[in-house]
Amino acid sequence: NAGVMQNPRHLVRRRGQEARLRCSPMKGHSHVYWYRQLPEEGLKFMVYLQKENIIDESGMPKERFSAEFPKEGPSILRIQQVVRGDSAAYFCASSPAGTGIYEQYFGPGTRLTVT
Amino acid sequence: AQKITQTQPGMFVQEKEAVTLDCTYDTSDPSYGLFWYKQPSSGEMIFLIYQGSYDQQNATEGRYSLNFQKARKSANLVISASQLGDSAMYFCAMRRNTGFQKLVFGTGTRLLVSP
Repeated sequence: NAGVMQNPRHLVRRRGQEARLRCSPMKGHSHVYWYRQLPEEGLKFMVYLQKENIIDESGMPKERFSAEFPKEGPSILRIQQVVRGDSAAYFCASSPAGTGIYEQYFGPGTRLTVT
Repeated sequence: AQKITQTQPGMFVQEKEAVTLDCTYDTSDPSYGLFWYKQPSSGEMIFLIYQGSYDQQNATEGRYSLNFQKARKSANLVISASQLGDSAMYFCAMRRNTGFQKLVFGTGTRLLVSP
């Protein structure tokens, strides 16, 4: 039983480049959450997706950030034209459903460094 | 809106002693869940313990127990018989148990266990 997989684990981008972060949920899970952890802070919710649907993106910055969870393949968090302030750890979590009492299982995170 | 407050940026404890990490919360939802996560220096988020708002008894998981005081809106984590491997960041989090369930995290407490 593989857990939540995230890749890459570490990503270095220069300012202005694009960053693509991938998340494969646990088997049987169709709900994915993305969280961001800035240095020395707690995790902050970004977006919640089901297969092919964005359910809640209230925590996503209005510009440069997008997320998708296609019918096939991993969920992708895309950051265009990265800036130094995007340097953070990005965590993905999955659950078998969005409502009801289900635990969210976290992946190991992707550490993004913008130089 | 939900809010988690962790007022202890850092805590020190000697090996084999017990330690309490404080967490207070604020929510208008009648049904909610409270979580504690451990984040070691390697960065992953490790689920420790869960308490539901309607649970009559305090949750326990091995050396971890959650001191839930609903009227005071507190959900303190108690670690008994501390071990060197308990040194880590600890995050309190909550979510509503109805509707879409994003987790709201506190700012964390850094625990250092000394020999």
